[in-house]
This record gives sequence, C-alpha cells and structure tokens, in this order.
Amino acid sequence: GEDVEQSLFLSVREGDSSVINCTYTDSSSTYLYWYKQEPGAGLQLLTYIFSNMDMKQDQRLTVLLNKKDKHLSLRIADTQTGDSAIYFCAETHTDKLIFGTGTRLQVFP
Amino acid sequence: NAGVTQTPKFRVLKTGQSMTLLCAQDMNHEYMYWYRQDPGMGLRLIHYSVGEGTTAKGEVPDGYNVSRLKKQNFLLGLESAAPSQTSVYFCASSYQGSGEQYFGPGTRLTVT
Repeated sequence: GEDVEQSLFLSVREGDSSVINCTYTDSSSTYLYWYKQEPGAGLQLLTYIFSNMDMKQDQRLTVLLNKKDKHLSLRIADTQTGDSAIYFCAETHTDKLIFGTGTRLQVFP
Repeated sequence: NAGVTQTPKFRVLKTGQSMTLLCAQDMNHEYMYWYRQDPGMGLRLIHYSVGEGTTAKGEVPDGYNVSRLKKQNFLLGLESAAPSQTSVYFCASSYQGSGEQYFGPGTRLTVT
C-alpha cells in the first residue's frame, strides 16, 4: 500500500542548513510536494518537483529527488526561527495526495 | 478570495452526539478532501470528492459521512461521536486530483 515516511523531529541552529528527508512508495507519482504547517494553521504549499526532475531550487529551498531509491529531500539554507514548523512531503496517487507523518523542525538560536 | 474556509473552528461534543463540519471554497475547484490530523500520524484522508454529487472513501472513513450537494461545499458528518474522533480536521480543495491542494484553517474537535 501507499506509505510515505519521514523522521518526526529535526533540531538545527539558526543560520545552519536543514535537511528533511522523505521516502515514498508510488513510482508513478506525477508530482512530489512539500507543505509547511505553522502552529494552529492549515498546510501551505512550500514547493513541488515534477517526477522527471532531479533537483529544483527556489531561493533558500532545494529539493532533491532520487527516483531509483524513491527518496525526496528538502534543504533549507540559512535556517531562520521563522522556519520552525512541521514539514510534510506528499506523493500523488490517482485523485489524491498521500502525506507523510510530518517532520517537526525546531530552530534554536 | 476567501480560499478555503471551515466552520466551526472549535467544538466540544459528548459521546454519542452528532455534528456537521462545513467546508467551503470559492476557487471553483472540482476536488475536495477531508483529513484528520493526529500527533505522530500525519494527515489521514477520511473522504474525498472528485466533483459535485460524488464522494469516495479515503483511508479512515468509518464513523464519518460526507455530502457534496454543491460544488463549493463539502460537508463532513459525525452521526454518533466517539472519543477516538477527537482530532483536528482539515478540509482541502484542488483543481486537479494530482495538483496542489489548498487547505482550510482546521476545526479542533474534542469528544468527551
């Protein structure tokens, strides 16, 4: 069945890079997504990558996709306290998205 | 544009009571979804709809019913609430099934 896995927690120092990892199962996923959830709020799309790409860069964000290993990562450069949130990866599956368990990123000074 | 809105924001129910959660979107999206979020379990899909008048079961549909009588609204019903349904409920909509989903702010439900 579909199962998207992420580690639950990540703690980084302000100014360092953060790398959040995700493994997915559906090799036919068209897109892979990263969503951000701030406390008390819904999820917001952070970035996405098309399945035929290996990498996508968007300002401080870099997404890497390894289709062979079904591994997706999100790198946040120069992490700030405002980046503290829960980050979800998601794969497409027919008419829906399958979300991972979420990684809580804590940024300390 | 208001985007995706959810009503109510908070609710406390006693076991056995019923209630309906309302989701509305003003983006003319075909697809709408109901999720529940529990600690350590991420988002789990309850039910979804691929268009007005259609509904389908997700990963955890038991104890819930849905209706999509109008394209812009998606209702989630709990007929007889149980403590296991204590959760945060999110509604989302999208233009395409594999496309970006837009989320509402959530409804925090507690069943005692």
